[in-house]
Amino acid sequence: QSALTQPRSVSGSPGQSVTISCTGTSSDVGAYNYVAWYQQHPGKAPKLMISDVSKRPSGVPDRFSGSKSGNTASLTISGLQAEDEADYYCCSYAGDYTWVFGGGTKLTVL
Amino acid sequence: QVQLAQSGAEVKKPGASVKVSCKASGYTFTSYTMHWVRQAPGQSLEWMGWVNGGNGNLKYSQKFKGRVTIIRDTSATTVYMELSSLKYEDTAVYYCVREGHWLLDLWGQGTLVTVS
Repeated sequence: QSALTQPRSVSGSPGQSVTISCTGTSSDVGAYNYVAWYQQHPGKAPKLMISDVSKRPSGVPDRFSGSKSGNTASLTISGLQAEDEADYYCCSYAGDYTWVFGGGTKLTVL
Repeated sequence: QVQLAQSGAEVKKPGASVKVSCKASGYTFTSYTMHWVRQAPGQSLEWMGWVNGGNGNLKYSQKFKGRVTIIRDTSATTVYMELSSLKYEDTAVYYCVREGHWLLDLWGQGTLVTVS
């Protein structure tokens, strides 16, 4: 299956909000509410930030939120902070017990 | 605590095989499925396959079918991923990731495999 489509980069100033999109197909993102978002700092393993489209695991700030419309999922980070600067990846269950990741988005906090 | 501890970095020649281990602790090993995901330098994450910790069922990505083998040792609560016929483009960090109810929630620290 093909990777999910994310913008290569987004940026925002401290305190602002940014939204990262993740576009798939009717066979993955559009078919299941099993979309997750991960944050990855350089040299570190990915960290789960959002599960099941919009659920926030314990310990994740409520500045992070997720949503989905049709074949596109979105991650919104409000009240940007310097430590939010990282790479962000979406991931969706793609049916037939397979998973697919997005191409990743580099978030720069200006 | 709940964690996945992976084996150390490897350097291999093209054509060789590599075997990476992932020891799970702090949770019931047989109640979860373990996936492998890799990340080439500067690239995105790529899903490779999984093994069910309880019944040993397997699923591999079409891209790696025939080259990847994932096995589990329930007594050692360890999962292994072996990749054969290594190519330069297999140079990557390989992660084991726990899955519960369609969610990849717990990641190992990663193992760098260099093909050179």
